Amino acid sequence: AQTVTQSQPEMSVQEAETVTLSCTYDTSESDYYLFWYKQPPSRQMILVIRQEAYKQQNATENRFSVNFQKAAKSFSLKISDSQLGDAAMYFCAYRSDAMRGGGADGLTFGKGTHLIIQP
Amino acid sequence: EPEVTQTPSHQVTQMGQEVILRCVPISNHLYFYWYRQILGQKVEFLVSFYNNEISEKSEIFDDQFSVERPDGSNFTLKIRSTKLEDSAMYFCASSIRLAGTYEQYFGPGTRLTVT
Repeated sequence: AQTVTQSQPEMSVQEAETVTLSCTYDTSESDYYLFWYKQPPSRQMILVIRQEAYKQQNATENRFSVNFQKAAKSFSLKISDSQLGDAAMYFCAYRSDAMRGGGADGLTFGKGTHLIIQP
Repeated sequence: EPEVTQTPSHQVTQMGQEVILRCVPISNHLYFYWYRQILGQKVEFLVSFYNNEISEKSEIFDDQFSVERPDGSNFTLKIRSTKLEDSAMYFCASSIRLAGTYEQYFGPGTRLTVT
């Protein structure tokens, strides 16, 4: 079974600074997807960014980027120019592609990192 | 922008009672999912549903749980005889194939409190 580990229960960053959230995972599969989800106090889960394992290029979405190291099974999230609205729980998630393009597989989540933005 | 909706936002029930949590997935999505998050813990996959049948389920999804798509829009999770440990946030999600993969869009969740 796959596991996802987020070793930082809480991180704090000054507004406008850059912060990196860590995530490692364990899998024997070669095809999979990785995601970062944001969960603000409202508890809605919001997709931030995704990465396909077969792609070497790191995904980027505006101020959010990832550092995907497939051999090391590492998938960190970098948030540049942190804003107060970025304060939330951040969950790293893994999804198998065992169904070869099907959507049946559920996401495996890490325990989350609570990100605090200091004004 | 279309979104997944869930009702009710908060449900309180007594131990042993049956509850039904309701979800309306995004209209053109094909896969539907239920997850739960016990307070302070990680989000856990329960079940996925496609073409009117269960596609995958976790070991958490035992005989006390069932899912149904009773009409063209609703997707429900039934918990037959609730236990205290069923208290959690329950998230519904739906997905459609986009750019080669299925991205899951989550609803706002239903907080279930079992007393």
